[in-house]
Amino acid sequence: AQRVTQPEKLLSVFKGAPVELKCNYSYSGSPELFWYVQYSRQRLQLLLRHISRESIKGFTADLNKGETSFHLKKPFAQEEDSAMYYCASTSYGGSQGNLIFGKGTKLSVKP
Amino acid sequence: EPEVTQTPSHQVTQMGQEVILRCVPISNHLYFYWYRQILGQKVEFLVSFYNNEISEKSEIFDDQFSVERPDGSNFTLKIRSTKLEDSAMYFCASTPSWSFNNEQFFGPGTRLTVL
Repeated sequence: AQRVTQPEKLLSVFKGAPVELKCNYSYSGSPELFWYVQYSRQRLQLLLRHISRESIKGFTADLNKGETSFHLKKPFAQEEDSAMYYCASTSYGGSQGNLIFGKGTKLSVKP
Repeated sequence: EPEVTQTPSHQVTQMGQEVILRCVPISNHLYFYWYRQILGQKVEFLVSFYNNEISEKSEIFDDQFSVERPDGSNFTLKIRSTKLEDSAMYFCASTPSWSFNNEQFFGPGTRLTVL
């Protein structure tokens, strides 16, 4: 079964420090991968998706098929980056695009 | 900017009672989803819906659950006889078309508490 793993429940860094939120997936084909973010008292929203190869709010994520990873990175964390981050995937295995989520990592950026 | 809305924000019910959770997807969206998140656990897919029928459902979505689009705007999730373990946050999501890399737009969620 397809699975998304986020090994860290909580990641705490100081403002200006680099951030890396880890995500690994298990799927033998070509998954589509996403990072969703949930700021305090807000709804889940898309941060970025691997197919777009974009940088959003300074965050980037590279799909590494060899390591089956899609880690989220930012060189200099800001306090407003504090939120829950969820890695998610969809698959080509007949599903209608339903998302498979990791457990989430809470990022806390201290001043 | 259009958003997915969900009502109520919090529902408290007794075990064995029926509940209906309501969602209004974004108006030109065609694909609708329900997810749930038990406290401290991951967000889990329940069901997807397109063209007035279920496209896919997970193992969680058993006979106690049903979905409906009773009119052109609402999308509802019904739990026929609630159990304690149904206590969770329920999220509705929608997307304008089907693609594996489409963004899903989420509602704010309904917190269901079963006593």
